Amino acid sequence: GAVVSQHPSWVICKSGTSVKIECRSLDFQATTMFWYRQFPKQSLMLMATSNEGSKATYEQGVEKDKFLINHASLTLSTLTVTSAHPEDSSFYICSARSEGYTFGSGTRLTVV
Amino acid sequence: DAKTTQPPSMDCAEGRAANLPCNHSTISGNEYVYWYRQIHSQGPQYIIHGLKNNETNEMASLIITEDRKSSTLILPHATLRDTAVYYCIVRVLRNTGKLIFGQGTTLQVKP
Repeated sequence: GAVVSQHPSWVICKSGTSVKIECRSLDFQATTMFWYRQFPKQSLMLMATSNEGSKATYEQGVEKDKFLINHASLTLSTLTVTSAHPEDSSFYICSARSEGYTFGSGTRLTVV
Repeated sequence: DAKTTQPPSMDCAEGRAANLPCNHSTISGNEYVYWYRQIHSQGPQYIIHGLKNNETNEMASLIITEDRKSSTLILPHATLRDTAVYYCIVRVLRNTGKLIFGQGTTLQVKP
């Protein structure tokens, strides 16, 4: 079946630095990928829709200049958290659509 | 996509059937019922989906009422590894847009 690889699985960074998270579709092409954020004991919250070759579509309230999304190929989308702060600490999950929706294993970001 | 309502939590004894309900009273005729689950600190996993007939696969069964206003996900013999948050989502089959998650049901399988 379809597999989505997300890297890294966890990362710790200092406040003020930037962190890049990669999401790859391993055995299929994904023109559209989705990025979610999940805080402890809460549901997944959609942040943005990543479209290959065009600008991402951000959900209301998500800062596009802080969460940079690049979808340069049909198998790779990246999320860069810029100037990270402790409140950005969260579990970030990507998803790609093949026949259904396949999710990555998530990235635990801790900003110290 | 139609709104869904699920109980926040449920317990189930290991080896017994787990029955997870979902209400979707505003479902449209062309909307399917999807179920996903999320095991702690992992990405969500697809379980099953259906339109109006009952469906079964290797993971679970989906029972949809005749009026389609509610459904039940059945895990026939729950194991400790089935402990997870289960999400019921209603949407059009060909909708390639975003997938929105509600609060889901936290299923705790106990020994």
